Amino acid sequence: DQQVKQNSPSLSVQEGRISILNCDYTNSMFDYFLWYKKYPAEGPTFLISISSIKDKNEDGRFTVFLNKSAKHLSLHIVPSQPGDSAVYFCASEVPANAGGTSYGKLTFGQGTILTVHP
Amino acid sequence: DAGITQSPRHKVTETGTPVTLRCHQTENHRYMYWYRQDPGHGLRLIHYSYGVKDTDKGEVSDGYSVSRSKTEDFLLTLESATSSQTSVYFCAIRTTGWDTEAFFGQGTRLTVV
Repeated sequence: DQQVKQNSPSLSVQEGRISILNCDYTNSMFDYFLWYKKYPAEGPTFLISISSIKDKNEDGRFTVFLNKSAKHLSLHIVPSQPGDSAVYFCASEVPANAGGTSYGKLTFGQGTILTVHP
Repeated sequence: DAGITQSPRHKVTETGTPVTLRCHQTENHRYMYWYRQDPGHGLRLIHYSYGVKDTDKGEVSDGYSVSRSKTEDFLLTLESATSSQTSVYFCAIRTTGWDTEAFFGQGTRLTVV
């Protein structure tokens, strides 16, 4: 039972254009969503996040959009750069008290390989 | 850099042998996690810890055990390695507070032959 799904295994984009990565979730209890970027032979690194009380969060070239009614989020990268080529994972979590026993457990999607061509 | 070190970075082992992976953190975080990454599955939680000697199971805990005898170290043990445990293993820590993120180590690539 995959609670977080990234249905596009790969995406190819020209440098300078927009990259849109999508993520769907099924658990309506998820209230916080994160995007991670991963280069080969490295650990995932945090990119951007959004709380369920918002529908958009922006950080430089990266914007995450959340549509709670559709249980869908997307990551927009504008403009795309060759250095953005990596695997992108979305992740979600249910509310848990900081300090409690269940805090901080993330559920990840399968990942999308983004290739940005010069 | 959240001060997370995983060791070893690469290991090849034989089926049936025990294997221990180590995660070491330098910043005194309470929460630590072990994930495995496999094609088509993303990252899946194996075990996690919410304090010294306090651990619990994640989504894919069968065949794994963990221990945390001090804040800085979180060990993942495969009691008897199987080929299905060939994977890349990531340790993570999580800071507490509103809207925080998890920080990951560089990973351990384990091959069971």
